[in-house]
Amino acid sequence: DTGVSQNPRHKITKRGQNVTFRCDPISEHNRLYWYRQTLGQGPEFLTYFQNEAQLEKSRLLSDRFSAERPKGSFSTLEIQRTEQGDSAMYLCASSSRTDINTEAFFGQGTRLTVV
Amino acid sequence: KQEVTQIPAALSVPEGENLVLNCSFTDSAIYNLQWFRQDPGKGLTSLLLIQSSQREQTSGRLNASLDKSSGRSTLYIAASQPGDSATYLCAVKVGIFGNEKLTFGTGTRLTIIP
Repeated sequence: DTGVSQNPRHKITKRGQNVTFRCDPISEHNRLYWYRQTLGQGPEFLTYFQNEAQLEKSRLLSDRFSAERPKGSFSTLEIQRTEQGDSAMYLCASSSRTDINTEAFFGQGTRLTVV
Repeated sequence: KQEVTQIPAALSVPEGENLVLNCSFTDSAIYNLQWFRQDPGKGLTSLLLIQSSQREQTSGRLNASLDKSSGRSTLYIAASQPGDSATYLCAVKVGIFGNEKLTFGTGTRLTIIP
């Protein structure tokens, strides 16, 4: 088990373009989270999946953002018509279903720069 | 709304010293509290998890305490080393059971001076 994997690690895009990020959680984990972190701040919650069901979405997740987790495995986060304010580190985390008090494990993140 | 605060925002100490990082939260209705380490430009590495019923957890040179009633946690680092330089984040798990999430502080940037 190599932990939570995120791809790509870095993405530079022009304003107005669409981007998609991928997260592969730890294999036996059914809970998957997306967070966004801007410079000097702590991560902020974006959305949460339990298996394939998206159970909660933050108000931070505007209509330009969409996340999926087909078949409860990997997840994708798509941003349409990117804006400079979308520049941030996008972090994915997963945790086990068996116990609410298990740790959340994070990936290395995808650094998005919108120019 | 749960708010998590970490003070100080930055801390520099000479190598070898013991140090304490602070975390406070406004709502004591938490499931657990987790301390993370983040190196520049990297993801988060979990250090310690304290359940709401626990008072402390230890891992190597790290010791984390939790006082849920007062909304405080501390991370104690013994015999600091230059490799400990990083940003340390605390996060509390909150929410309705089955729909929980982590709420983070803004972190303490720690620099260990050789």
